[in-house]
Amino acid sequence: AQSVTQLDSHVSVSEGTPVLLRCNYSSSYSPSLFWYVQHPNKGLQLLLKYTSAATLVKGINGFEAEFKKSETSFHLTKPSAHMSDAAEYFCVVSDLGGNKLVFGAGTILRVKS
Amino acid sequence: ETGVTQTPRHLVMGMTNKKSLKCEQHLGHNAMYWYKQSAKKPLELMFVYNFKEQTENNSVPSRFSPECPNSSHLFLHLHTLQPEDSALYLCASSQEAPAAGSTDTQYFGPGTRLTVL
Repeated sequence: AQSVTQLDSHVSVSEGTPVLLRCNYSSSYSPSLFWYVQHPNKGLQLLLKYTSAATLVKGINGFEAEFKKSETSFHLTKPSAHMSDAAEYFCVVSDLGGNKLVFGAGTILRVKS
Repeated sequence: ETGVTQTPRHLVMGMTNKKSLKCEQHLGHNAMYWYKQSAKKPLELMFVYNFKEQTENNSVPSRFSPECPNSSHLFLHLHTLQPEDSALYLCASSQEAPAAGSTDTQYFGPGTRLTVL
């Protein structure tokens, strides 16, 4: 069975500084991995998706994530935070064995001016 | 957000009421989902429909009754709910439901914020 652990429940950065949101996964098969973002009172929006192609995945709004099989990690990064990035971020795993998506508990990103 | 719409956006109901949540997707997808998002808990999958057929019921209490009349519409009928059912209910759709060899991206609606008094 697959699982996902988001290592930080809250992350606070200053505007213009790098963002790192950490995610570790467990999967019996070759996983698909996703990052979703949820702004207050909004639904989840897909940031990026990994499905066994390039290990460095580029998403929307300048975010990217790197799949590291040896570390079972899929951390989300952005070189320079913007105030509009303040939201909750979810790491999600699904394995190609056909199981459903499993969501992490979420990381709330705060961006200080 | 215009790809998947949900109504109402907010709902307050008593424990004896009957209400329904509606979801509509305009993406031509064949799979639709209901999720429950409670405070401080991971997103929980409730139901999956693929080509109008229910393929997953994640041990959801019978006071939640889904209905999928066609691939574009999904309802969640609510009856005699409990205060602990208060949560954000999210609908999502994807081209097809997760299956061996593929995982299509799921697109989410804005959710219905439900409060049970």
